[in-house]
Amino acid sequence: GIQVEQSPPDLILQEGANSTLRCNFSDSVNNLQWFHQNPWGQLINLFYIPSGTKQNGRLSATTVATERYSLLYISSSQTTDSGVYFCAYYPNTNAGKSTFGDGTTLTVKP
Amino acid sequence: GAVVSQHPSRVICKSGTSVKIECRSLDFQATTMFWYRQFPKKSLMLMATSNEGSKATYEQGVEKDKFLINHASLTLSTLTVTSAHPEDSSFYICSAPLGGTRYEQYFGPGTRLTVT
Repeated sequence: GIQVEQSPPDLILQEGANSTLRCNFSDSVNNLQWFHQNPWGQLINLFYIPSGTKQNGRLSATTVATERYSLLYISSSQTTDSGVYFCAYYPNTNAGKSTFGDGTTLTVKP
Repeated sequence: GAVVSQHPSRVICKSGTSVKIECRSLDFQATTMFWYRQFPKKSLMLMATSNEGSKATYEQGVEKDKFLINHASLTLSTLTVTSAHPEDSSFYICSAPLGGTRYEQYFGPGTRLTVT
C-alpha cells in the first residue's frame, strides 16, 4: 500500500509565528485530508485536498499530486493551534481505507 | 459539515466483561463506517470496515471474535469489545465517508476504554 510520511514529527513555535507541515506519499494519491487532533482526541477536518490549494482563515493547504506531497501552512499561530496534525490518504472507493501519517505534534507557546 | 457521534465517550470496565461502543452518523447516511484504534502518542490504526447489511472486513491481525462489529442501519455501527483485557485499553475512533462523489471522511469524538 501507499506509505505516508509526515515531517517534522515535532514542532515548537512562539505564538504569532508561521509554520509549514509536510506530507509525502510513496505514490500518487487521489484523496487526501488534513486533520487536527485536539487535546481531547477529536479529529477535526481541516482540508479535503486531493490537488491544488485551499485556504481557510489562517490555514491553507497545497497538494501537488504529481510530486506526491502536500503542505499545510499555519500563519500567525495561536496557542489553540497546539495539537497533532495528521494527513491521511484513502482510495476512491467507499470501501477504501485511510492510511494515516504518524502526525506532527505542534506546540505553540504564548 | 457532517457530524458523527460516539457513545460512550469514556468507559471503564473490569477484565472479562464486554463493552459496546456506538457510532452514529447524525445528518447523513453511511453504508460504510470505519473503526480505528489509537495508542498514546501514536497514529490511527484501521481495525475494520463496517458494512451496512453485511459482514465487517477486518484488517490483518485484528481478531474478529474479539472485536465484534455490527452495522444495523445506515446511521449506526457498533463495536463490541468482548471479554476485554487490560491490553484492549485504548482510544477507539469511528469514521464515516460522506459517500457519493464526496470522499471526505468525518470522525467521531472517540471512546476511551480502560480495562482494569
